[in-house]
Amino acid sequence: AQKITQTQPGMFVQEKEAVTLDCTYDTSDQSYGLFWYKQPSSGEMIFLIYQGSYDEQNATEGRYSLNFQKARKSANLVISASQLGDSAMYFCAMREGRPGGYNKLIFGAGTRLAVHP
Amino acid sequence: DGGITQSPKYLFRKEGQNVTLSCEQNLNHDAMYWYRQDPGQGLRLIYYSQIVNDFQKGDIAEGYSVSREKKESFPLTVTSAQKNPTAFYLCASSEGAGTEAFFGQGTRLTVV
Repeated sequence: AQKITQTQPGMFVQEKEAVTLDCTYDTSDQSYGLFWYKQPSSGEMIFLIYQGSYDEQNATEGRYSLNFQKARKSANLVISASQLGDSAMYFCAMREGRPGGYNKLIFGAGTRLAVHP
Repeated sequence: DGGITQSPKYLFRKEGQNVTLSCEQNLNHDAMYWYRQDPGQGLRLIYYSQIVNDFQKGDIAEGYSVSREKKESFPLTVTSAQKNPTAFYLCASSEGAGTEAFFGQGTRLTVV
């Protein structure tokens, strides 16, 4: 069965430093997608970055990069040059990509990131 | 502007009453999802649908029901059988397996 694990309930980082948020996943499918979302205190879900299971390069979007290690089934999010506005909950998510199949989109428990000045 | 709309933003319900949460999208997405989020917790999948007139139970479907009569709409009914319905409910839609899901602003349901 699909499963997403985020082992860090909370993380602290100094402004302008880099931080890594951990995510491991479990799936028996060869085709799947991995996502990271940010949820500020307002509750909205903001899409950050996507990595496909067949993508050979690690995904990058501005200050966000995804450290994809397929053999270890990990998809860690790296935020470079942290800003105060990065303080939020961060969720890792996975969707299997079976063509024509029922593809659940499931989320991990989240990591609360606090950026200190 | 394209997007996904949930209404209402806040909802109060008396114990024993059914209540329906609305979710509408104009993104022409096939897949739609409902999630429940409790304070400080992650998102748990209630129901999802990949095509009109078809939907599947997620991990916590008991006490909930959905319909998908139109591509644009995926309403969620919280029934009286749901023992602890107070939570934040999020609806999402996506175009396909390899694309991100877009979320609505959420509905905060409180049982009084």
